[in-house]
Amino acid sequence: GAVVSQHPSRVICKSGTSVKIECRSLDFQATTMFWYRQFPKQSLMLMATSNEGSKATYEQGVEKDKFLINHASLTLSTLTVTSAHPEDSSFYICSASQWGPQQETQYFGPGTRLLVL
Amino acid sequence: AQSVTQPDIHITVSEGASLELRCNYSYGATPYLFWYVQSPGQGLQLLLKYFSGDTLVQGIKGFEAEFKRSQSSFNLRKPSVHWSDAAEYFCAVATGNDMRFGAGTRLTVKP
Repeated sequence: GAVVSQHPSRVICKSGTSVKIECRSLDFQATTMFWYRQFPKQSLMLMATSNEGSKATYEQGVEKDKFLINHASLTLSTLTVTSAHPEDSSFYICSASQWGPQQETQYFGPGTRLLVL
Repeated sequence: AQSVTQPDIHITVSEGASLELRCNYSYGATPYLFWYVQSPGQGLQLLLKYFSGDTLVQGIKGFEAEFKRSQSSFNLRKPSVHWSDAAEYFCAVATGNDMRFGAGTRLTVKP
């Protein structure tokens, strides 16, 4: 149980284009979803937290107009990197948690490798 | 603010040897504690977690961790390491929606 998927697993795009990454909870309803960014050989950096039907809460320093997050349903959240530039190249990982006992537990997706040329 | 420290950036052990990965946290109350494992190019897999009760927690893949309040530690252990355990290990502490990760410990397993 508690499986989270991400799509695509890898994406290469040209500078200036937008890229959408999907995060789905496959076997549970995710009341909260999280988006992280991970640089090579580093830990995870939280970008934003989103609750279904609400606007995402962004961490300090994360541009909300550049990283658009939509959490339209209890099983799907999307991250859109708008007008992507080479410095946006990174590994993006989502996670999800569900309401109830031990709701602080986050289940992670497999990640999406973004390369902006 | 809560924080997590993993003192060891990289550890190398021989296959079949025992393993202990250290994790210390800083938080005013008892936090919820987690260990995750990440293989190269993959997401994080939950190994085990501590919320309350027995301070020795059993996880998947033969891992266990012990919560020691007096030492603010939550060290991960495995009695006999397998080559497939080579990966990056992250300790995390959470309160509500706020989860903080340690810097990670990279485990290399020698044949």
